[in-house]
Amino acid sequence: DVKVTQSSRYLVKRTGEKVFLECVQDMDHENMFWYRQDPGLGLRLIYFSYDVKMKEKGDIPEGYSVSREKKERFSLILESASTNQTSMYLCATLARASGPYEQYFGPGTRLTVT
Amino acid sequence: AQTVTQSQPEMSVQEAETVTLSCTYDTSESDYYLFWYKQPPSRQMILVIRQEAYKQQNATENRFSVNFQKAAKSFSLKISDSQLGDAAMYFCAYRSPPGGSQGNLIFGKGTKLSVKP
Repeated sequence: DVKVTQSSRYLVKRTGEKVFLECVQDMDHENMFWYRQDPGLGLRLIYFSYDVKMKEKGDIPEGYSVSREKKERFSLILESASTNQTSMYLCATLARASGPYEQYFGPGTRLTVT
Repeated sequence: AQTVTQSQPEMSVQEAETVTLSCTYDTSESDYYLFWYKQPPSRQMILVIRQEAYKQQNATENRFSVNFQKAAKSFSLKISDSQLGDAAMYFCAYRSPPGGSQGNLIFGKGTKLSVKP
């Protein structure tokens, strides 16, 4: 089974803090993704990475950066957290169990910025 | 650019009955994949069913089936014999074939399904 873990289920940070959200996958997959989920907006892609030290902007990269130093770990960084970044953050990896590649998701991190 | 539209923000079904969730999409590609994901209140997103565009046969997974109408760009999900555990957010998603966009998914805004006992 593909396993994707995220470092925290719930996180509360103050405005202006630097925030790290960690995501780890256990199967040496190349592609990893960070999404933000908001009610009524669905999931929106923030950044993705297709290999170590490789990254691409998604649809809403402003205010975020990412780091991929090792293949299994993909970090999302909020350089200076703001209240409008309060949201659910989902990490995913692209893998193939049988049939075509599909995305497997972590449990999510509910971030609150006060 | 591809888009995915789910026109039903909320749906409700009686336990043991059948419900259909709608999804339409827009693309100029001829080959692609479509998915339905389920997100229960515990928040873990899981894949329910997938459809490859080049296959004419509609995908089926136990009580879940799709009605894929390629010309109409429609991809609805039918849940038969609904159970209380089916209550969740359901997301329709589109993906380009391998070699394009690195496997990115484009999601609809979701449909919240409630199941009444």
